[in-house]
Amino acid sequence: NAGVTQTPKFQVLKTGQSMTLQCAQDMNHEYMSWYRQDPGMGLRLIHYSVGAGITDQGEVPNGYNVSRSTTEDFPLRLLSAAPSQTSVYFCASSYKGALSTEAFFGQGTRLTVV
Amino acid sequence: AQSVSQHNHHVILSEAASLELGCNYSYGGTVNLFWYVQYPGQHLQLLLKYFSGDPLVKGIKGFEAEFIKSKFSFNLRKPSVQWSDTAEYFCAVGSGNTGKLIFGQGTTLQVKP
Repeated sequence: NAGVTQTPKFQVLKTGQSMTLQCAQDMNHEYMSWYRQDPGMGLRLIHYSVGAGITDQGEVPNGYNVSRSTTEDFPLRLLSAAPSQTSVYFCASSYKGALSTEAFFGQGTRLTVV
Repeated sequence: AQSVSQHNHHVILSEAASLELGCNYSYGGTVNLFWYVQYPGQHLQLLLKYFSGDPLVKGIKGFEAEFIKSKFSFNLRKPSVQWSDTAEYFCAVGSGNTGKLIFGQGTTLQVKP
C-alpha cells in the first residue's frame, strides 16, 4: 500500500539548474497538490490539480510548473533553480468529495539550491 | 482571503501536562478543519478533522479538538502529553471542493521526559 510516493528524497542543485520532483499516488485520488514547507511559515500551496489535464496556481507558483497527464502522477518542475527555492516539498492527494477531504502526504523532498 | 493563525509557535511541556494549541481561521463559508502532526523527519499525518455535526471531535492518540464557530477557532487539546508527542502540529482549513488546504504556521511541541 504505497500511498503517495515522492522522489527523490534529497537533492542539491546549483543555481540555474532545472529539475523535476516526481509524485505518484496509487489511491485513484482526483485531487493532487504541491506544497513547500519553510520554517515558521507552515506549508504553502504551490500548484494544485482537480483532475487529469487540469491544474491551477496556488499561493506561491512563481518558478514552478506542473502538469497532470494522468490521474496517478503530478510532477513539479523547477525551471531555473534559485536559492530561495531551498525548502522541503510535499505532494498530497485526496479524493473528490462534496467537501474537503483528508489529504494524504508523501514523505517529502528536501531540496537545497546552492 | 482565507487564512489560518496558530497562536503558539513553540511550546515546551513536561510529560503528563495538559496541552492546548490555539488555531483561528478566517473564511466566510462552510469550513472543513484539520489538525496534522509531523513527527521529526516524517511526513504529515492526520490527527483529526471536523466537517460537520458534533463540534467536539476526537482523533488518534488521545487528541481532541473543539470547533467554536462564533470564535472561528479549532483548538487542539490533549489531557496528558507523552514524550512521543514531540512533533510539529499544523492546523489547516479545507478550501472548497478543490483539495486545497490552507495551513497555519505550525506549532513545535517539545515534551520533556
